Amino acid sequence: AQSVTQPDIHITVSEGASLELRCNYSYGATPYLFWYVQSPGQGLQLLLKYFSGDTLVQGIKGFEAEFKRSQSSFNLRKPSVHWSDAAEYFCAVGSNTGNQFYFGTGTSLTVIP
Amino acid sequence: NAGVTQTPKFRVLKTGQSMTLLCAQDMNHEYMYWYRQDPGMGLRLIHYSVGEGTTAKGEVPDGYNVSRLKKQNFLLGLESAAPSQTSVYFCASSPRGLQPQHFGDGTRLSIL
Repeated sequence: AQSVTQPDIHITVSEGASLELRCNYSYGATPYLFWYVQSPGQGLQLLLKYFSGDTLVQGIKGFEAEFKRSQSSFNLRKPSVHWSDAAEYFCAVGSNTGNQFYFGTGTSLTVIP
Repeated sequence: NAGVTQTPKFRVLKTGQSMTLLCAQDMNHEYMYWYRQDPGMGLRLIHYSVGEGTTAKGEVPDGYNVSRLKKQNFLLGLESAAPSQTSVYFCASSPRGLQPQHFGDGTRLSIL
């Protein structure tokens, strides 16, 4: 069965610093991978997705993610974090049936001014 | 541009009561999903639907029922609420399978 692991429960970075959020997946075939962001009291918003092709994908708000098949990872990065990036971030993988998604437990990001 | 709308936003129930959560989407999406979000557990799929008139079980379906009588609506029912069902419930929709999901703002449900 598919699964997603986000090893970091909580990360704190200073504004302007770079960011990397880790995501590891378990999947037998080519995965469909997603990163979502959730602001307090809100639903999830799609940041970016990977289906195939170029392993470095660009998303909204200056985020990017790199798919590494050899490491079963899909880490999210941002070169310079803004205070408004403070939120909860979720990695997700689509199931091989195409009907379900499996979410990680999330990483909470705090940004220090 | 409403997207996915969940009703109600908050609700407090007593153990044993029943209620229905409504999800409505105006994007003509085929697929709809109900998740629950609990601290430290991420989102877990309760039930989903791949089209009008269809429903299927997800990871944690026990204690819940769903219906998709109209393409734009997906209802989640709790027949006899239990404290373990205290959670934040999210509805989502997507055009078809493996496409990015659009989420509602959630329903915060407390069961005493």
